Amino acid sequence: AQTVTQSQPEMSVQEAETVTLSCTYDTSENNYYLFWYKQPPSRQMILVIRQEAYKQQNATENRFSVNFQKAAKSFSLKISDSQLGDTAMYFCAFMKHDTGTASKLTFGTGTRLQVTL
Amino acid sequence: DTAVSQTPKYLVTQMGNDKSIKCEQNLGHDTMYWYKQDSKKFLKIMFSYNNKELIINETVPNRFSPKSPDKAHLNLHINSLELGDSAVYFCASSPNTGGIETQYFGPGTRLLVL
Repeated sequence: AQTVTQSQPEMSVQEAETVTLSCTYDTSENNYYLFWYKQPPSRQMILVIRQEAYKQQNATENRFSVNFQKAAKSFSLKISDSQLGDTAMYFCAFMKHDTGTASKLTFGTGTRLQVTL
Repeated sequence: DTAVSQTPKYLVTQMGNDKSIKCEQNLGHDTMYWYKQDSKKFLKIMFSYNNKELIINETVPNRFSPKSPDKAHLNLHINSLELGDSAVYFCASSPNTGGIETQYFGPGTRLLVL
């Protein structure tokens, strides 16, 4: 079974600064996907960024980028130029590559990020 | 315009009652899911359906019964509600393209059992 660990329950960053959220995972799979989801106070789960394990290049989406270290089983999220709207819970998630018809997401426990003025 | 919608958004009910939560997606996806988020914000898969067929059934009490009338809808019926069922229930959907299967979530249904 896969496990996902987010060791930082809460973090705080000032507006316009950079913050990195940590995520490690444990799996015996070689093909898988990793995701970061954001859950603002509205409760909506919003995809932030995703990474295929077979790709060595780190994914980037505007101000969001990841540092994917496959050997270390680490998948951290970097948020640059933090904005007040980035305040949310951030969940790291793992999905096994499955050629079948459905794959479940295994989530970490989340990191609550507060962006301050 | 809503991609994945759930009704109701809030549900307050008494212990022992039976309730249903409905989910609909207009993304044309083949696969739909139910996740439960507990009071500590932990999210866990409950069920998954692909084209009306049950694919994933995690260890969930059989008081929970999903039903998929068509591939755009996945409903969750809960019998004999218990206090521990209080949680936020998320519906999600994903395409089945054989590639990276990003799941798109609904807004959640907050269930409170009194």
